[in-house]
Amino acid sequence: DQQVKQNSPSLSVQEGRISILNCDYTNSMFDYFLWYKKYPAEGPTFLISISSIKDKNEDGRFTVFLNKSAKHLSLHIVPSQPGDSAVYFCAASAVFFGNEKLTFGTGTRLTIIP
Amino acid sequence: KAGVTQTPRYLIKTRGQQVTLSCSPISGHRSVSWYQQTPGQGLQFLFEYFSETQRNKGNFPGRFSGRQFSNSRSEMNVSTLELGDSALYLCASSFQGGSGANVLTFGAGSRLTVL
Repeated sequence: DQQVKQNSPSLSVQEGRISILNCDYTNSMFDYFLWYKKYPAEGPTFLISISSIKDKNEDGRFTVFLNKSAKHLSLHIVPSQPGDSAVYFCAASAVFFGNEKLTFGTGTRLTIIP
Repeated sequence: KAGVTQTPRYLIKTRGQQVTLSCSPISGHRSVSWYQQTPGQGLQFLFEYFSETQRNKGNFPGRFSGRQFSNSRSEMNVSTLELGDSALYLCASSFQGGSGANVLTFGAGSRLTVL
C-alpha cells in the first residue's frame, strides 16, 4: 500500500518557468512532509520541509504548499534552472508504535530545458 | 565533516549468493536507516538502527538483515540473492532518526546487480 504517491514519473519545464511537483498521501497521521532531491550517482539530499500545522514554507526559489483537507502537497520551483534537473522525492513522517518513520514516494524526474 | 560513506559502491553477484554492504554514518549520528531504490518503486524502507538496536523495520523478507556496531557503523546483509534484489541500496544517518526535525543525510549508495 503506497501511502505517499507521486503520480507523475517525469516532468519537463522550460528554464526560467515555474516547476510544480505534486505529491498525495493517504495517512492523516503524517505530521511532517519533506522533499529530497537526487542527482545520478549521488544520494538524495534534503531540500525543504513543512510541518502539518502550516500550509506554506518558503526557502529561496523553493516553496512547499500543504493542503491537508486534500492530503496533497506540492513543491514549486521559481525560476527553474538547469541545475534543478534531478529526481525529486516527496516524503512523509509519522510516529508508528512510538518511533518516527519516513515514507517516500516513487519520485518525479524533473528535466529543465535550456 | 565527512559525509555518509557506503562501501562497496558497485558490486555484481549471482543468484543464491549473499552480500554484505557497509555504511559509516556522519560522526555523532546514532541513527542509521537503509533504503532500497528500484525504478518505479522509489525508496523502500528496509530498517533503522539506533544505538545498536533495530528500531524500525520495513516489509522485506527475512533474507534482508542488518546490524549496527557500537561506533554506529552499520552493515546490511542479503542472503540467497534473487534477480529482483538488483537495486541501489542507500544508507542514511541522522542524529535521532528521520523526521521533519531530524533530516536524513544519505550516502551515495551501493549499486547491486544480481545475475
